Amino acid sequence: GAVVSQHPSRVICKSGTSVKIECRSLDFQATTMFWYRQFPKKSLMLMATSNEGSKATYEQGVEKDKFLINHASLTLSTLTVTSAHPEDSSFYICSAFIAHQPGEQFFGPGTRLTVL
Amino acid sequence: AQTVTQSQPEMSVQEAETVTLSCTYDTSESNYYLFWYKQPPSRQMILVIRQEAYKQQNATENRFSVNFQKAAKSFSLKISDSQLGDTAMYFCAFMKRSGGGADGLTFGKGTHLIIQP
Repeated sequence: GAVVSQHPSRVICKSGTSVKIECRSLDFQATTMFWYRQFPKKSLMLMATSNEGSKATYEQGVEKDKFLINHASLTLSTLTVTSAHPEDSSFYICSAFIAHQPGEQFFGPGTRLTVL
Repeated sequence: AQTVTQSQPEMSVQEAETVTLSCTYDTSESNYYLFWYKQPPSRQMILVIRQEAYKQQNATENRFSVNFQKAAKSFSLKISDSQLGDTAMYFCAFMKRSGGGADGLTFGKGTHLIIQP
């Protein structure tokens, strides 16, 4: 149990276009989801916290107008990279949390974004 | 804010040996969790072991164990009888405990562990 999927796994887009990445909890309801960014051979950095039915909370330095997060249901959060540029190329990973099971976060397999 | 420091960018050991990965952290929080995650080349994050700060007993999971020194803010991972499949990036991570909710994880920079045949 506790499976998280991400779609797409890889995406290549042209500079200036927008890209949407989906994060789904397949067999549980996730009241909270998190979005992380990982540069090559680097660590994961928390971008934002997504709570179902409310606005996302962004970490300092993350542009909320560039990285739009929507958590419309208990099983789906989306990250939209707007007007993507080559510097947005990265590996994006989501994780999901089950309410009242503290200490448990389940990670998706990640999405590799390449902006040409 | 909290910080997590992993001072070993890369380690290499022979198969079947025991290896210890170090991690220190800094926080003003009193209730928190500490984790070790494994990230193989597939890049899927895999939870190796979790420690709750209020528990004095060190967590163990089969060949994996931790040495949690709360006063020293140290959280090392020991891998016994290392196997080729243990080759991966290992990240130490911190999470503040927030009642029934959750906070995001703060990760260290990672240690690339290579198990040699």
